[in-house]
Amino acid sequence: QKEVEQNSGPLSVPEGAIASLNCTYSDRVSQSFFWYRQYSGKSPELIMSIYSNGDKEDGRFTAQLNKASQYVSLLIRDSQPSDSATYLCALPSGNTPLVFGKGTRLSVIA
Amino acid sequence: NAGVTQTPKFQVLKTGQSMTLQCAQDMNHNSMYWYRQDPGMGLRLIYYSASEGTTDKGEVPNGYNVSRLNKREFSLRLESAAPSQTSVYFCASSGLAGSFGEQFFGPGTRLTVL
Repeated sequence: QKEVEQNSGPLSVPEGAIASLNCTYSDRVSQSFFWYRQYSGKSPELIMSIYSNGDKEDGRFTAQLNKASQYVSLLIRDSQPSDSATYLCALPSGNTPLVFGKGTRLSVIA
Repeated sequence: NAGVTQTPKFQVLKTGQSMTLQCAQDMNHNSMYWYRQDPGMGLRLIYYSASEGTTDKGEVPNGYNVSRLNKREFSLRLESAAPSQTSVYFCASSGLAGSFGEQFFGPGTRLTVL
């Protein structure tokens, strides 16, 4: 059973819109959650971390965590073509320091 | 400050050959990691080193060995390469004690095994 699930996409949004990326996980004891961005042919880059229920905002990015429902989401406001990338959800699980979802590919259309 | 560096960037091997992928970080981080990334499979942890002197298996350790040479360097060795090991390999490091999730990645090594 895959521990971190993401819709593979592609998710297409027009420039200026809000992009909503979702992730569900199976390990109820996970306490920390991370979003990474990966441009095509490049390495992953950490963009958000969230540790408690609720929202965490950083510029145009908002991470939302609901531990009871076991989901974490990433909202990107005022989406730009430069936001086009694959977004990876990740969290510690069991003895593994970080388990990654397969990622959601986001395409922002100018 | 180069962050995490990896060598080589590209490599082509024949089945059965061996090679070592090198990784170094200059951020004084305690923990280092090796991942592979395959289409449709996402990033998967091969091995990690929580601190200098320790190494542990990740999700897909078979066919690989690692060495934490010192605090800066963490190498990944393929003793007898197989076509199934064709992948992109990423090294990463994290610094805060117990905070394994905030990882910084190197640029990757693209390995093809024929």
